[in-house]
Amino acid sequence: AAGVIQSPRHLIKEKRETATLKCYPIPRHDTVYWYQQGPGQDPQFLISFYEKMQSDKGSIPDRFSAQQFSDYHSELNMSSLELGDSALYFCASSDDERGSLYNEQFFGPGTRLTVL
Amino acid sequence: SQQGEEDPQALSIQEGENATMNCSYKTSINNLQWYRQNSGRGLVHLILIRSNEREKHSGRLRVTLDTSKKSSSLLITASRAADTASYFCATVPILTGGGNKLTFGTGTQLKVEL
Repeated sequence: AAGVIQSPRHLIKEKRETATLKCYPIPRHDTVYWYQQGPGQDPQFLISFYEKMQSDKGSIPDRFSAQQFSDYHSELNMSSLELGDSALYFCASSDDERGSLYNEQFFGPGTRLTVL
Repeated sequence: SQQGEEDPQALSIQEGENATMNCSYKTSINNLQWYRQNSGRGLVHLILIRSNEREKHSGRLRVTLDTSKKSSSLLITASRAADTASYFCATVPILTGGGNKLTFGTGTQLKVEL
């Protein structure tokens, strides 16, 4: 079965550079979530989109922005990168029918970002 | 702040033994989910239990939920070396406006030795 695809899998950037992470959800999934997992930490919710509109926002820095496109893929744009941004960035997708709060989130393999 | 805390933080057992991990959370929830993560890799969904359910089984996994105590447990029976991983509980809290974002616990590192 198709899974969530993330690209790139690994990314190395210098401080103050920008990075763009991409997420391709499972076909027919309309909701995308982004999470950040620092070294030895649990994943932290950043932002989510439902039907191409931002649906929720977590601890996402102002330097980061994201959007969901007409084909439901999503991109996380990160600017003015800092050393502390080094982390695993996960995208998850789900089929969130309106009013349903019981749907599983399926995670992609993650993008490992290293900021030097 | 963390919604969930897991206990123990690390667990080492012999192959064939059972492993039990506990998760506590703070706010009312819609559902609780358990995930497995092999070292630095992706999160694999194991099981989802709704707030109106008390117990759920999936293969060698058994999950219980006690909403009055705001706690859940994951039991892995007849453990195998391949079960070595970090296990996270994650909750979907009841919030005004809804939303299904997951709030993760701190995780339990399970090591199954041959």
